[in-house]
Amino acid sequence: DIQMTQSPSSVSASIGDRVTITCRASQGISSWLAWYQQKPGKAPKLLIYAASSLQSGVPSRFSGSGSGTDFTLTISSLQPEDFATYYCQQANSFPPTFGGGTKVEIK
Amino acid sequence: EVQLVETGGGLIQPGGSLRLSCAASGFTVSSNYMSWVRQAPGKGLEWVSVIYSGGSTYYADSVKGRFTISRDNSKNTLYLQMNSLRAEDTAVYYCAREGDGGYASYWGQGTLVTVSS
Repeated sequence: DIQMTQSPSSVSASIGDRVTITCRASQGISSWLAWYQQKPGKAPKLLIYAASSLQSGVPSRFSGSGSGTDFTLTISSLQPEDFATYYCQQANSFPPTFGGGTKVEIK
Repeated sequence: EVQLVETGGGLIQPGGSLRLSCAASGFTVSSNYMSWVRQAPGKGLEWVSVIYSGGSTYYADSVKGRFTISRDNSKNTLYLQMNSLRAEDTAVYYCAREGDGGYASYWGQGTLVTVSS
């Protein structure tokens, strides 16, 4: 199975900050990567797919980049509703696997 | 509007069986790839199973031989039959509709399965 490693596991940030989360795959996955946002007690929400494509309805302050093994999710200006846990997921090969999550907390 | 509503969770003893349902509206289950993803309490996401529009099914090694994914086209509903349940199967189970590329673009609200004596 492909292992997905996210860093950091948590980050404290203030409103308006730029936040960057990284995800590394144990082997190359081309651009077969998604990012999800999950708030407590809620289902995950797809933010980014194919490494850099913004899901419909997702604010443009979210962006994704990378290919191969190294990927990045960037929130350009953190908003109050962005405090949540973020997961990456590879869809290159079976089984689909998720990163361990990055919790974005209020500083 | 796309909606997914899971039901069927609850408290079950180890070794028991449970069937989860995921009622869909706003789209046709049989025309889409449909998945189950679970999340143990306080933990991350774990993919469980998928059924393709053509009917092919795939499972995580951790549930293979114990869980069965299926669908009822007449009811537009997805199922997950879970047998020989273990404590480590305790989780919130989400059903999801996959878009192009294998990404879960719509999720249900989840149903909690607790395996405990």
